[in-house]
Amino acid sequence: RKEVEQDPGPFNVPEGATVAFNCTYSNSASQSFFWYRQDCRKEPKLLMSVYSSGNEDGRFTAQLNRASQYISLLIRDSKLSDSATYLCVVNPYGQNFVFGPGTRLSVLP
Amino acid sequence: GAVVSQHPSRVICKSGTSVKIECRSLDFQATTMFWYRQFPKQSLMLMATSNEGSKATYEQGVEKDKFLINHASLTLSTLTVTSAHPEDSSFYICSAESARAKNIQYFGAGTRLSVL
Repeated sequence: RKEVEQDPGPFNVPEGATVAFNCTYSNSASQSFFWYRQDCRKEPKLLMSVYSSGNEDGRFTAQLNRASQYISLLIRDSKLSDSATYLCVVNPYGQNFVFGPGTRLSVLP
Repeated sequence: GAVVSQHPSRVICKSGTSVKIECRSLDFQATTMFWYRQFPKQSLMLMATSNEGSKATYEQGVEKDKFLINHASLTLSTLTVTSAHPEDSSFYICSAESARAKNIQYFGAGTRLSVL
């Protein structure tokens, strides 16, 4: 089983739609969780950290379920500019970041 | 926010040449820097971790003699791809971890290497 798994997509959604991405991780000792966004042929950029209590930043909401080893990202009111690959990143304590394969999102006009 | 500068952004070279990529943290000290490689439509794969003043730790399957890493200061790490071959063509990205915020990695803009 891979350390971090994501649905590769692509997710093709119309503008204004709500879309949710899921991510599962295998290392129960993982301590830190993040969502990064990567545009085509660009470096990943931190979108948000994921906290146990869940957190929201504008149209983006991240949730963590430690018991199920599951992380989610919800994007509301999708914009064309949200089109990108979303990477789930897990940081097991004392170890390096582990990136998921990413989920591609295309927001269509 | 923290800025990481990676240079060059694009390299085209002949097979057999060596290519050096620089990664600099511009406004913070990076005790640890990471080098990743990304093939088309694939996720980032960690190649090695470098700590300032010590030898880099390479991931399994990454040849240390092929990919030379030097982390000579708290703001600079270099990756040298020695005797590059077409199969080394890839997108190389560095990231830096701030000494003050160990949980966050800041990424350089990446270097696209094409070996002819």
